[in-house]
Amino acid sequence: AQSVTQPDIHITVSEGASLELRCNYSYGATPYLFWYVQSPGQGLQLLLKYFSGDTLVQGIKGFEAEFKRSQSSFNLRKPSVHWSDAAEYFCAVGDPGTYKYIFGTGTRLKVLA
Amino acid sequence: GAGVSQSPSNKVTEKGKDVELRCDPISGHTALYWYRQSLGQGLEFLIYFQGNSAPDKSGLPSDRFSAERTGGSVSTLTIQRTQQEDSAVYLCASRLESGTFFGQGTRLTVV
Repeated sequence: AQSVTQPDIHITVSEGASLELRCNYSYGATPYLFWYVQSPGQGLQLLLKYFSGDTLVQGIKGFEAEFKRSQSSFNLRKPSVHWSDAAEYFCAVGDPGTYKYIFGTGTRLKVLA
Repeated sequence: GAGVSQSPSNKVTEKGKDVELRCDPISGHTALYWYRQSLGQGLEFLIYFQGNSAPDKSGLPSDRFSAERTGGSVSTLTIQRTQQEDSAVYLCASRLESGTFFGQGTRLTVV
């Protein structure tokens, strides 16, 4: 079955610390992979996406993610977290034909001043 | 408009009533999606439109849920005989080659 797993429901980091949010997927073929962020009361904003090619992708707001086929993972990283990064982060796989998404359950990030 | 617009932003309805949720996609976007975000279920796909047709309705949870799209633009999600478990945020998204963009959602509360 197709699924996306985000094993960490909540993560707390100090401002300026590095961040890694985990995402593992189960999909029949190589899917399209996405990370979205949702701030309180806001819609989903695309941080970055992976379709093919270079397995390290850069996104907005200083985020990057690395696709590892052997581990079926697409972890999100940021070298230095800012207080404004506090939000909920969703990993998703997209069907290459329809772009229909399967989302993970999300990771809520708290940033300590 | 500049983004995906959904209305109303909030809707409170009594159990058993019908509700209609509206989505105005970004102009020119041919693909349109509805998702539901609820505490217990996370973000779930409901239905996908390509133009006015819906080749994938697999996420609609019951026959109380239906959706249509007219003129390749506006879409309406209708929930008949609402139940308390329908309480959720309903998100609409539209897509063109540049990417998929989400609206702010309609928060539906069934009391």
